[in-house]
Amino acid sequence: ILNVEQSPQSLHVQEGDSTNFTCSFPSSNFYALHWYRWETAKSPEALFVMTLNGDEKKKGRISATLNTKEGYSYLYIKGSQPEDSATYLCASGNTGGFKTIFGAGTRLFVKA
Amino acid sequence: SQTIHQWPATLVQPVGSPLSLECTVEGTSNPNLYWYRQAAGRGLQLLFYSVGIGQISSEVPQNLSASRPQDRQFILSSKKLLLSDSGFYLCAWSEPAAGDYGYTFGSGTRLTVV
Repeated sequence: ILNVEQSPQSLHVQEGDSTNFTCSFPSSNFYALHWYRWETAKSPEALFVMTLNGDEKKKGRISATLNTKEGYSYLYIKGSQPEDSATYLCASGNTGGFKTIFGAGTRLFVKA
Repeated sequence: SQTIHQWPATLVQPVGSPLSLECTVEGTSNPNLYWYRQAAGRGLQLLFYSVGIGQISSEVPQNLSASRPQDRQFILSSKKLLLSDSGFYLCAWSEPAAGDYGYTFGSGTRLTVV
């Protein structure tokens, strides 16, 4: 994989549903994996930065896992709320940290 | 605390006109600075990054240039805009070890070239 790929492209869920999306990234020269939350008309906001294989991070109802050997990360949202509606971006940085590649994002819509 | 300012928020420019977008960071020294662009329906593409005053690295050949005249100021420019330059431009900063802390983004500029 030469690029960072995210799936699905968009997702519609009902309030209270739990959901998850995937980020695939190049596993060679891996340094860090970032997740960002990007609400319309706002700046992308950092959620997690993970560097170690097996890392698992949590912030409230949102958590993420990292597998650097196979090159994927999952983002989980438990009990989705309408305010979770946003685009979730992942980004993979190589050694050196400058050439971080972003995925196209997963657009989440949570219906009340 | 650190803050990042980017302006203008929106811009409509005719083809062939010049461009200047400005980004400033406060509350930190010697940050890494970045310009990203999001074209319609696509992810963020790194255009330029800078690790210090006057040091600019370009990631993609294009009609744009960047400059860093001061430690916390990053400018994106063009002499003559093309239609394909339309998009959403984001400035960002990070600590020198970007992998440890991630990026902090500005509020973005929506550029429409007509």
